[in-house]
Amino acid sequence: DQQVKQNSPSLSVQEGRISILNCDYTNSMFDYFLWYKKYPAEGPTFLISISSIKDKNEDGRFTVFLNKSAKHLSLHIVPSQPGDSAVYFCAAAARGSQGNLIFGKGTKLSVKP
Amino acid sequence: EAQVTQNPRYLITVTGKKLTVTCSQNMNHEYMSWYRQDPGLGLRQIYYSMNVEVTDKGDVPEGYKVSRKEKRNFPLILESPSPNQTSLYFCASRRPTGELFFGEGSRLTVL
Repeated sequence: DQQVKQNSPSLSVQEGRISILNCDYTNSMFDYFLWYKKYPAEGPTFLISISSIKDKNEDGRFTVFLNKSAKHLSLHIVPSQPGDSAVYFCAAAARGSQGNLIFGKGTKLSVKP
Repeated sequence: EAQVTQNPRYLITVTGKKLTVTCSQNMNHEYMSWYRQDPGLGLRQIYYSMNVEVTDKGDVPEGYKVSRKEKRNFPLILESPSPNQTSLYFCASRRPTGELFFGEGSRLTVL
């Protein structure tokens, strides 16, 4: 059973607009959430994270929102740029245990000029 | 420069021929892990290691072995590869802040 779900396999957005990528989780023990970006032929790279004690974390054009009661997080990219086109993975961990990251299946974002 | 280095990057082999994918990190991280990426399935953990001589199974360990004799190295061993192990493999080490630092990937094809 999937513990981390990204229900949208793909998303297409116009350059300059907002991109919103969504992620849901089922395990209430998760207390640390991360987003990774992956370009073809490269390894995933860390983008931004949030701890369960916060509901928002911002880094430049990237903001992650966490709604613990809904077990939902989202990544907002504003403004979107063509270079943001990549696959985005949501991941979660329960840091009290071994802290293994559980990944979603990914969402492919296409930002059109 | 902080790096996780995997070799080989690309490999085509045949069923049953043992192979090893090496992984080395230069950040003195204690935790290392292997993932495989398959279309529609995302990243799934194969094995992980909390430290030297401490390894444990992830979600999809069948058909794989690992060893951790030194902190920097974490090789992935396929004793008898099968076509269902055709995949893109990533090694990663974990920063003290909790995020994984990934290698560039090894694309394996088993015929």
